Amino acid sequence: DTGVSQNPRHKITKRGQNVTFRCDPISEHNRLYWYRQTLGQGPEFLTYFQNEAQLEKSRLLSDRFSAERPKGSFSTLEIQRTEQGDSAMYLCASSLGGQGAVYGYTFGSGTRLTVV
Amino acid sequence: DQQVKQNSPSLSVQEGRISILNCDYTNSMFDYFLWYKKYPAEGPTFLISISSIKDKNEDGRFTVFLNKSAKHLSLHIVPSQPGDSAVYFCAASGNSGGSNYKLTFGKGTLLTVNP
Repeated sequence: DTGVSQNPRHKITKRGQNVTFRCDPISEHNRLYWYRQTLGQGPEFLTYFQNEAQLEKSRLLSDRFSAERPKGSFSTLEIQRTEQGDSAMYLCASSLGGQGAVYGYTFGSGTRLTVV
Repeated sequence: DQQVKQNSPSLSVQEGRISILNCDYTNSMFDYFLWYKKYPAEGPTFLISISSIKDKNEDGRFTVFLNKSAKHLSLHIVPSQPGDSAVYFCAASGNSGGSNYKLTFGKGTLLTVNP
């Protein structure tokens, strides 16, 4: 298994444009998480899926953000009408059941978004 | 409010010596505590965790100590190696009442191990 894969690695977009990121988790992991990390901060929870069901969304996830995991495998995170404050590293992680809290999630390398 | 705090933004140690990274938390409902290491341009990598019912967990050169009464944990790295230079994040999670799905991270401590 190649771990958690995120694409693209980098994205530069103009303010007001829409962007979409993709995450491919470890194949046997049924839980998938999205986090956001800004400069000087630790990762902050955005949302998580168990299989295809989105079970929680953070208050950080405004109406401009939407995440999907249509077949319980890969996930996409879309940001509409991007703002400069959306510039951050977007991290995806996966785990098997609730074991992530005990044995650690596996994180991808992230997608760095720059809104100009 | 910051539920997980790492008050030292950076730490510098000599190769072969001990590195001690500290973390404080405020939420008494946290059940598990984890340490992650992060290199630039990579995602965080899991290092070690500890349950709130234990006070110590060891894995090779890495040992985590938990003082539940003080709501404090620390990561000891002995001996420190230059390859350990990275940002270390402390994270916490509840594992009861359905809240075992997300981690709350501190801001991280940049460890530099000098040869």
